[in-house]
Amino acid sequence: GAVVSQHPSRVICKSGTSVKIECRSLDFQATTMFWYRQFPKQSLMLMATSNEGSKATYEQGVEKDKFLINHASLTLSTLTVTSAHPEDSSFYICSAASKPPVANQPQHFGDGTRLSIL
Amino acid sequence: AQSVAQPEDQVNVAEGNPLTVKCTYSVSGNPYLFWYVQYPNRGLQFLLKYITGDNLVKGSYGFEAEFNKSQTSFHLKKPSALVSDSALYFCAVRDTTSNTGKLIFGQGTTLQVKP
Repeated sequence: GAVVSQHPSRVICKSGTSVKIECRSLDFQATTMFWYRQFPKQSLMLMATSNEGSKATYEQGVEKDKFLINHASLTLSTLTVTSAHPEDSSFYICSAASKPPVANQPQHFGDGTRLSIL
Repeated sequence: AQSVAQPEDQVNVAEGNPLTVKCTYSVSGNPYLFWYVQYPNRGLQFLLKYITGDNLVKGSYGFEAEFNKSQTSFHLKKPSALVSDSALYFCAVRDTTSNTGKLIFGQGTTLQVKP
């Protein structure tokens, strides 16, 4: 089946640090990748939709300068949390949709990144 | 507005008993419906989907779901629960106003299966 690899799985760093999270589709090409944020025992909150070769589309209320997304190839999207602060601590999850995006195909999820800002 | 509702925060069942996790939806047009499961500190795993055809959809790990158009529901079921089924379950529907495959998730239901 389709595999999405997300790295790192856990990050602990000091306030003010920028953190990069990678999301790779290992055995398929992903035109579109999605970045979510999840608070404990809550649902996934879509942050942005990442499209290969173009700018990401951010959801309302998500700061694009805070959460930088790059989708440079059909197998890699990155999320950079710039100048992270304790309130950015969360579980971040990526998912990928195969190329071309097909409505009836499921998204494939990475295993998430636990970000803890001290 | 398009939405998904999972009315139960938690469902408790005894091992070996049947389980049901409820989901209702509201979308414009034909719904594309999905169920995912999440284990602690992991991403989501796809269980099953409904696109068209038979209302009863069979998926991974013995799970199935029944699509009911008149009740706009897509409840997840399993005839005999296992302790290992204990996890967080999400119902999702494709956002039909988007052409990117964007999903709308329910708030999640924690399934607790006791020995």
